[in-house]
Amino acid sequence: SYVLTQPPSVSVAPGKTARITCGGDKIERKSVHWYQQRPGQAPVVVIYYDSDRPSGIPERFSGSNSGNTATLTIGGVGAGDEADYYCQVWDSSSDHPVFGGGTKLSVL
Amino acid sequence: QITLKESGPALVKPTQTLTLTCSFSGFSFSTSGEGVGWIRQPPGKALEWLALIFWDDEKRYNPSLKNRLTITKDISKNQVVLTMTNMDPVDTATYFCAHRRWRTGGVNWFDPWGQGTLVSVSS
Repeated sequence: SYVLTQPPSVSVAPGKTARITCGGDKIERKSVHWYQQRPGQAPVVVIYYDSDRPSGIPERFSGSNSGNTATLTIGGVGAGDEADYYCQVWDSSSDHPVFGGGTKLSVL
Repeated sequence: QITLKESGPALVKPTQTLTLTCSFSGFSFSTSGEGVGWIRQPPGKALEWLALIFWDDEKRYNPSLKNRLTITKDISKNQVVLTMTNMDPVDTATYFCAHRRWRTGGVNWFDPWGQGTLVSVSS
């Protein structure tokens, strides 16, 4: 089964740029989707299809995917961005979705 | 606008069967390509995908739980039902249902999600 690896935590100062990685074997061959989950809330997709933003998601959120690593980048981080972030792909070999273990973003 | 809402028991006993219902609006299984998935999250832990059902009644299950899960849909009621047998305290989690979005080439993601329902397993 396909495995996605995320760092458990990332810390960033207010106003700076946060980068959250999602590692997987040749992940560049897959489409990666990112979810934000604030405490006590349901996940919300912030990036889909590697780098597309749903309507209503600020342009500060962007995504990239190359080699064995996909990256969610959040510019100008603020307290409202503190949340858990999950990456997700579709594993074509087993024909089902796979989630990463999640990354807790803390704003210092 | 697509909305989903989960319903079911807040508490089940070990060995019992859990039945959860996802009621949705804003789309229909009569439309080609539609799908609904179930995902759970134990307290303080990561998301775990459970099952997915498509408009054509194709189903996918998490291999590690496949023997315990059944997912069905009721087109007339706009509902998806998930049953999980032989519940154990480790199954205590918030259970979410979510609408599946897709693009050709095996690209699938979940948007939006329901609010989730907390299910505790205890005697």
